[in-house]
Amino acid sequence: AQKITQTQPGMFVQEKEAVTLDCTYDTSDPSYGLFWYKQPSSGEMIFLIYQGSYDQQNATEGRYSLNFQKARKSANLVISASQLGDSAMYFCAMRWMDSSYKLIFGSGTRLLVRP
Amino acid sequence: DGGITQSPKYLFRKEGQNVTLSCEQNLNHDAMYWYRQDPGQGLRLIYYSQIVNDFQKGDIAEGYSVSREKKESFPLTVTSAQKNPTAFYLCASTDRGSLGQPQHFGDGTRLSIL
Repeated sequence: AQKITQTQPGMFVQEKEAVTLDCTYDTSDPSYGLFWYKQPSSGEMIFLIYQGSYDQQNATEGRYSLNFQKARKSANLVISASQLGDSAMYFCAMRWMDSSYKLIFGSGTRLLVRP
Repeated sequence: DGGITQSPKYLFRKEGQNVTLSCEQNLNHDAMYWYRQDPGQGLRLIYYSQIVNDFQKGDIAEGYSVSREKKESFPLTVTSAQKNPTAFYLCASTDRGSLGQPQHFGDGTRLSIL
Protein backbone atom coordinates (compact mmCIF):
# COMPACT_ATOMS: atom_id res chain seq x y z
CA ALA A 1 0.00 0.00 0.00
CA GLN A 2 1.08 3.56 -0.65
CA LYS A 3 2.18 5.70 2.26
CA ILE A 4 3.60 9.17 2.91
CA THR A 5 5.57 9.96 6.07
CA GLN A 6 6.58 13.35 7.44
CA THR A 7 8.54 12.87 10.63
CA GLN A 8 8.97 16.51 11.66
CA PRO A 9 5.83 17.80 13.41
CA GLY A 10 7.36 21.25 13.82
CA MET A 11 10.46 23.18 12.80
CA PHE A 12 11.99 26.59 13.37
CA VAL A 13 14.19 28.51 10.94
CA GLN A 14 15.79 31.91 11.13
CA GLU A 15 14.65 34.45 8.57
CA LYS A 16 16.83 34.43 5.41
CA GLU A 17 18.21 30.96 6.13
CA ALA A 18 17.42 27.77 4.22
CA VAL A 19 15.34 24.92 5.66
CA THR A 20 14.67 21.33 4.61
CA LEU A 21 11.37 19.60 5.29
CA ASP A 22 11.51 15.82 5.15
CA CYS A 23 9.18 13.50 3.27
CA THR A 24 9.52 9.77 2.66
CA TYR A 25 7.12 7.65 0.69
CA ASP A 26 6.37 4.06 -0.08
CA THR A 27 4.89 2.66 -3.25
CA SER A 28 5.47 -0.33 -5.49
CA ASP A 29 4.15 1.52 -8.54
CA PRO A 30 7.04 2.67 -10.80
CA SER A 31 5.06 5.67 -12.05
CA TYR A 32 4.12 8.22 -9.42
CA GLY A 33 4.20 11.92 -8.63
CA LEU A 34 5.09 13.84 -5.50
CA PHE A 35 3.60 17.19 -4.54
CA TRP A 36 4.22 19.74 -1.83
CA TYR A 37 1.49 22.04 -0.57
CA LYS A 38 1.59 24.99 1.84
CA GLN A 39 -1.31 25.64 4.21
CA PRO A 40 -1.27 29.05 5.94
CA SER A 41 -3.31 29.59 9.09
CA SER A 42 -6.24 30.75 6.94
CA GLY A 43 -6.61 27.16 5.73
CA GLU A 44 -6.29 27.21 1.96
CA MET A 45 -3.97 24.69 0.32
CA ILE A 46 -1.39 26.24 -2.00
CA PHE A 47 0.42 24.03 -4.52
CA LEU A 48 4.19 24.62 -4.40
CA ILE A 49 6.11 22.07 -6.46
CA TYR A 50 5.87 18.73 -8.26
CA GLN A 51 8.32 15.91 -8.96
CA GLY A 52 7.58 12.98 -11.25
CA SER A 53 9.17 9.59 -10.61
CA TYR A 54 10.80 9.57 -14.05
CA ASP A 55 12.07 13.15 -13.90
CA GLN A 56 15.84 13.18 -14.25
CA GLN A 57 16.37 16.50 -12.53
CA ASN A 58 15.19 17.81 -9.18
CA ALA A 59 12.26 20.18 -9.51
CA THR A 60 12.69 23.86 -8.69
CA GLU A 61 10.16 26.70 -8.41
CA GLY A 62 11.60 30.00 -7.29
CA ARG A 63 12.78 29.61 -3.68
CA TYR A 64 11.43 26.05 -3.52
CA SER A 65 13.38 23.02 -4.65
CA LEU A 66 12.83 19.34 -4.21
CA ASN A 67 15.67 17.04 -3.15
CA PHE A 68 14.47 13.84 -4.82
CA GLN A 69 16.34 10.66 -3.89
CA LYS A 70 14.50 7.87 -5.62
CA ALA A 71 16.49 4.95 -4.21
CA ARG A 72 15.87 6.20 -0.68
CA LYS A 73 12.24 7.05 -1.50
CA SER A 74 12.58 10.56 -0.18
CA ALA A 75 11.35 13.88 -1.59
CA ASN A 76 12.48 16.63 0.75
CA LEU A 77 11.39 20.23 0.23
CA VAL A 78 14.09 22.87 0.47
CA ILE A 79 13.06 26.47 1.05
CA SER A 80 15.86 28.95 0.50
CA ALA A 81 16.09 32.45 1.99
CA SER A 82 13.15 31.91 4.38
CA GLN A 83 10.66 34.73 4.80
CA LEU A 84 8.22 35.44 7.62
CA GLY A 85 5.39 34.61 5.21
CA ASP A 86 6.73 31.06 4.89
CA SER A 87 5.39 30.27 8.36
CA ALA A 88 2.70 27.65 7.68
CA MET A 89 1.91 23.94 7.59
CA TYR A 90 3.59 22.05 4.77
CA PHE A 91 2.22 18.81 3.37
CA CYS A 92 3.84 16.24 1.15
CA ALA A 93 1.46 14.25 -1.07
CA MET A 94 1.68 11.46 -3.60
CA ARG A 95 -0.29 10.25 -6.57
CA TRP A 96 0.40 7.02 -8.45
CA MET A 97 -0.61 5.64 -11.82
CA ASP A 98 -3.58 3.64 -10.66
CA SER A 99 -4.83 6.10 -8.06
CA SER A 100 -7.72 7.66 -10.00
CA TYR A 101 -5.82 10.94 -9.62
CA LYS A 102 -6.33 10.80 -5.84
CA LEU A 103 -3.69 12.17 -3.51
CA ILE A 104 -2.55 10.75 -0.20
CA PHE A 105 -1.10 13.23 2.26
CA GLY A 106 1.47 13.11 5.01
CA SER A 107 0.67 14.45 8.47
CA GLY A 108 2.42 17.74 7.78
CA THR A 109 5.22 19.87 9.23
CA ARG A 110 4.55 23.19 10.91
CA LEU A 111 7.28 25.67 9.99
CA LEU A 112 7.85 28.81 12.02
CA VAL A 113 10.19 31.47 10.64
CA ARG A 114 11.84 33.60 13.32
CA PRO A 115 12.71 37.24 12.62
CA ASP B 1 -10.84 34.18 -12.39
CA GLY B 2 -11.11 30.39 -12.37
CA GLY B 3 -11.25 28.63 -9.08
CA ILE B 4 -13.13 26.59 -6.52
CA THR B 5 -15.75 28.14 -4.27
CA GLN B 6 -16.77 26.50 -1.03
CA SER B 7 -19.65 27.72 1.07
CA PRO B 8 -20.39 28.43 3.78
CA LYS B 9 -17.08 29.31 5.41
CA TYR B 10 -18.43 28.33 8.85
CA LEU B 11 -21.25 25.91 9.59
CA PHE B 12 -22.85 24.70 12.79
CA ARG B 13 -24.76 21.45 13.10
CA LYS B 14 -27.28 20.44 15.72
CA GLU B 15 -27.54 16.89 16.97
CA GLY B 16 -29.43 14.67 14.53
CA GLN B 17 -29.25 17.19 11.71
CA ASN B 18 -27.96 16.72 8.18
CA VAL B 19 -25.97 19.59 6.71
CA THR B 20 -24.73 20.15 3.17
CA LEU B 21 -21.44 21.78 2.19
CA SER B 22 -21.28 23.38 -1.23
CA CYS B 23 -18.39 23.08 -3.69
CA GLU B 24 -18.46 24.73 -7.12
CA GLN B 25 -15.61 24.93 -9.66
CA ASN B 26 -15.27 26.81 -12.94
CA LEU B 27 -11.98 25.21 -13.96
CA ASN B 28 -13.68 22.70 -16.26
CA HIS B 29 -12.09 19.87 -14.29
CA ASP B 30 -13.52 16.37 -14.54
CA ALA B 31 -12.37 15.09 -11.15
CA MET B 32 -13.46 16.46 -7.77
CA TYR B 33 -12.61 15.44 -4.21
CA TRP B 34 -13.70 16.00 -0.61
CA TYR B 35 -11.20 15.87 2.23
CA ARG B 36 -11.53 16.11 5.97
CA GLN B 37 -8.80 17.70 8.10
CA ASP B 38 -8.70 17.38 11.88
CA PRO B 39 -6.60 19.84 13.92
CA GLY B 40 -2.87 19.38 13.42
CA GLN B 41 -3.34 16.51 10.99
CA GLY B 42 -3.18 15.77 7.32
CA LEU B 43 -6.03 15.45 4.84
CA ARG B 44 -8.13 12.31 4.59
CA LEU B 45 -10.22 11.51 1.54
CA ILE B 46 -13.98 11.24 2.04
CA TYR B 47 -15.39 10.87 -1.50
CA TYR B 48 -14.24 11.54 -5.02
CA SER B 49 -15.79 11.77 -8.46
CA GLN B 50 -14.07 11.42 -11.81
CA ILE B 51 -17.06 12.15 -14.02
CA VAL B 52 -20.62 13.39 -13.74
CA ASN B 53 -23.09 10.95 -12.17
CA ASP B 54 -20.31 8.78 -10.79
CA PHE B 55 -18.47 8.88 -7.46
CA GLN B 56 -16.49 6.56 -5.20
CA LYS B 57 -15.91 6.24 -1.48
CA GLY B 58 -12.61 7.37 -0.06
CA ASP B 59 -10.99 6.24 3.16
CA ILE B 60 -13.53 7.75 5.58
CA ALA B 61 -16.89 7.79 3.74
CA GLU B 62 -19.07 6.57 6.61
CA GLY B 63 -21.56 9.21 7.70
CA TYR B 64 -21.17 11.26 4.51
CA SER B 65 -22.92 11.35 1.15
CA VAL B 66 -22.29 13.18 -2.13
CA SER B 67 -23.84 13.79 -5.53
CA ARG B 68 -22.40 14.83 -8.89
CA GLU B 69 -25.25 15.92 -11.11
CA LYS B 70 -23.26 18.68 -12.81
CA LYS B 71 -19.59 18.88 -13.75
CA GLU B 72 -19.20 22.11 -11.81
CA SER B 73 -20.75 21.00 -8.54
CA PHE B 74 -19.92 18.35 -5.94
CA PRO B 75 -21.88 18.93 -2.71
CA LEU B 76 -21.09 16.98 0.45
CA THR B 77 -23.78 16.08 2.99
CA VAL B 78 -22.70 15.36 6.54
CA THR B 79 -25.42 13.09 7.90
CA SER B 80 -26.53 12.50 11.47
CA ALA B 81 -24.72 9.16 11.26
CA GLN B 82 -21.39 11.02 11.39
CA LYS B 83 -20.92 11.19 15.14
CA ASN B 84 -17.83 13.37 15.14
CA PRO B 85 -18.29 15.87 12.32
CA THR B 86 -16.29 18.75 13.80
CA ALA B 87 -13.47 19.33 11.32
CA PHE B 88 -12.21 21.45 8.45
CA TYR B 89 -13.55 20.28 5.07
CA LEU B 90 -11.69 20.93 1.84
CA CYS B 91 -12.93 20.44 -1.70
CA ALA B 92 -10.50 20.00 -4.58
CA SER B 93 -10.54 19.40 -8.31
CA THR B 94 -8.05 18.38 -10.96
CA ASP B 95 -7.66 17.82 -14.66
CA ARG B 96 -7.15 14.12 -15.40
CA GLY B 97 -4.58 14.76 -18.13
CA SER B 98 -1.39 13.63 -16.39
CA LEU B 99 0.09 12.54 -13.08
CA GLY B 100 1.64 15.98 -12.67
CA GLN B 101 -1.63 17.90 -12.63
CA PRO B 102 -1.97 19.38 -9.13
CA GLN B 103 -5.23 19.40 -7.27
CA HIS B 104 -6.68 22.88 -6.81
CA PHE B 105 -8.39 23.55 -3.50
CA GLY B 106 -11.19 25.73 -2.22
CA ASP B 107 -10.82 27.81 0.94
CA GLY B 108 -12.60 25.23 3.10
CA THR B 109 -15.59 25.00 5.42
CA ARG B 110 -15.23 24.74 9.20
CA LEU B 111 -17.99 22.58 10.67
CA SER B 112 -18.77 22.52 14.37
CA ILE B 113 -21.42 20.88 16.54
CA LEU B 114 -23.76 23.12 18.49
